[in-house]
Amino acid sequence: QEQLQESGPGLVKPSETLSLTCTVSGASLGSYYWIWIRQFPGKGLEWIGHINYSGTTDYNPSLKTRVAISVDTSKNQIGLSLRSVTAADTAVYYCTREFGRGNWFDPWGQGTLVTVSS
Amino acid sequence: DIQMTQSPSSVSASVGDRVTITCRASQAIATWLAWYQQKPGKAPKLLIFAASRLQSGVPSRFSGSGSGTTFTLTISSLQPDDFATYYCQQANNFPITFGQGTRLDMK
Repeated sequence: QEQLQESGPGLVKPSETLSLTCTVSGASLGSYYWIWIRQFPGKGLEWIGHINYSGTTDYNPSLKTRVAISVDTSKNQIGLSLRSVTAADTAVYYCTREFGRGNWFDPWGQGTLVTVSS
Repeated sequence: DIQMTQSPSSVSASVGDRVTITCRASQAIATWLAWYQQKPGKAPKLLIFAASRLQSGVPSRFSGSGSGTTFTLTISSLQPDDFATYYCQQANNFPITFGQGTRLDMK
């Protein structure tokens, strides 16, 4: 059964870099796009960006200057890096996979809460 | 960016009721629309994609319709497990965007 698991620090200081990892089990990274999405405390959802197994990426323009998504096929992992964080980056961060070929998302990881605070 | 607007923002209903949620896109997106269900503390769950196609394992009481700019999610006969928050999502353009959510709670 395919599973996605996010991991990383739950607390990041303002101006520092948020780094998360999504470990995929039960499936290969090949042939899919892998996505990071975040959900703010007020419950709004924001698409951060995606990457495929060969490293092709697209990012949300609102984050493009601060974000990088990476792929490690040897470890079956997807990475997220968000630089110069502020309190506005406090959110639950989810990784998910493209379902079919339509930019729909399934399955999802359980999510990890990242709080930006000094 | 394409703005997605859901209505209502919240709705109260009873088991057995028929419930309809509407999602409107700020520009035409053909049928590039998905619906998700989210319960507290859980990740969103894909219910419907391509506006009307039911994801495997999703009960048939859920249905979706629409194209262009106006879409609906209908639950034909509400069950206790359906009380949750529902989000629409457009997949026509990057960046992908979501509606603000509709909370469905028990009357």
